[in-house]
This record gives sequence, C-alpha cells and structure tokens, in this order.
Amino acid sequence: QKEVEQNSGPLSVPEGAIASLNCTYSDRGSQSFFWYRQYSGKSPELIMFIYSNGDKEDGRFTAQLNKASQYVSLLIRDSQPSDSATYLCAVTLWGGSEKLVFGKGTKLTVNP
Amino acid sequence: KAGVTQTPRYLIKTRGQQVTLSCSPISGHRSVSWYQQTPGQGLQFLFEYFSETQRNKGNFPGRFSGRQFSNSRSEMNVSTLELGDSALYLCASSGQGASTEAFFGQGTRLTVV
Repeated sequence: QKEVEQNSGPLSVPEGAIASLNCTYSDRGSQSFFWYRQYSGKSPELIMFIYSNGDKEDGRFTAQLNKASQYVSLLIRDSQPSDSATYLCAVTLWGGSEKLVFGKGTKLTVNP
Repeated sequence: KAGVTQTPRYLIKTRGQQVTLSCSPISGHRSVSWYQQTPGQGLQFLFEYFSETQRNKGNFPGRFSGRQFSNSRSEMNVSTLELGDSALYLCASSGQGASTEAFFGQGTRLTVV
C-alpha cells in the first residue's frame, strides 16, 4: 500500500458545485494532515491543515479527517474556475523520525 | 514577512556535471525540507534539515546531498548529473518540521541535457 493515495482524476465539476477530493494514508500514527493547491507551473500553496478528527472549515474549504478510517478529504463549495488546479494531500508519517509525504495529487477542473 | 526564496529559478546542466541549489527559509523557521517533483512520480521527499542537522532522508542515491547553515539557509547538491535528474526541485520551510505547516519556495527547474 502506498503511503498516501489520492485519485489522480481528473475531476471535473461545473461552476458553483461542490468538489470533493479524497485521500487515504497508511500510517495509523499520523497526526498532521495538509492540503496544498498547485497551479500549473507554480509551487504548492498550503490551503488547509487539520490535526483532529472531524471537520475544519475555512471559507469555501472544508477539511474532514477520520483517523479510524485513515481518510482525509477536502470539500470545495461553490467551486470557481479559479479553483482549477492540482490538489495535493500531505500527511506526516513516522518511521523513526517524521517526514511529510505527499500524494500524487488530484487534478480538478471547474467548468464555467 | 518574506517567503521562501530559492535560487536559481532555472538551470541547464550537462550529464556528469554537479549542481548546487539554494533555499532561504522564512525568517524564524528552522526546518528546511527538499523535494523533487516530476510528472510521473509527483513530489518525492529528499531530506529535511533542522538546526543544521539532517533529521530525515528519502530514498535517493548518495549523489543527492544537502546541508544547512547556522542562519537556516540550506543548500542541496547533486553530483554526477543524470538525465533523470531533470525535475522541479522544491524546498519547504516550517517552524518545527514535518508536523507543522510547511511553505514552499518557487522551486528550481533543473534540466539535464
């Protein structure tokens, strides 16, 4: 099993819809979870982080964490064309010392 | 507050050469991590430095090395370049390491010909 897995997509949603991005991870001991957005040709930009089970909301973004299921998701409400990007899930894994490991990303396209 | 600065932004090197990339983290941040990003493999962890010590290392050959200075600036070196080393190299700055928020620089695009 890969350490951090995401559906590669592409995921296509119409403008105004909810985009749902999912991520699973292998290490039950993981404590820190991050979502990054990467526009084509740019570096990743941190948009959300979550440390506790449940939901965390920031504007149009909601991160959801379920440690028992080893699952973290990102919901984008009222999706805009400017949200079109690759979304990277990152998880802190332990293996003697912690390291931040990224999934390969899900490419999201929001159609006007 | 200044962000993470990576230099140079672009590099073209020949096979067999070596290259050094630089990263200046956000002021006050002590952790610098390096990643290689390619279309096929995504973001792969190279290593992390914290207070001048390498704390963690990914699965890359010994040709990839790094160091961190007392001012937290970090350098990454790749020796005996191969065509497969062509990639975007990103550094990430964080206050305490992998469990805290990390912020990326703009990256260095390395092309090996």
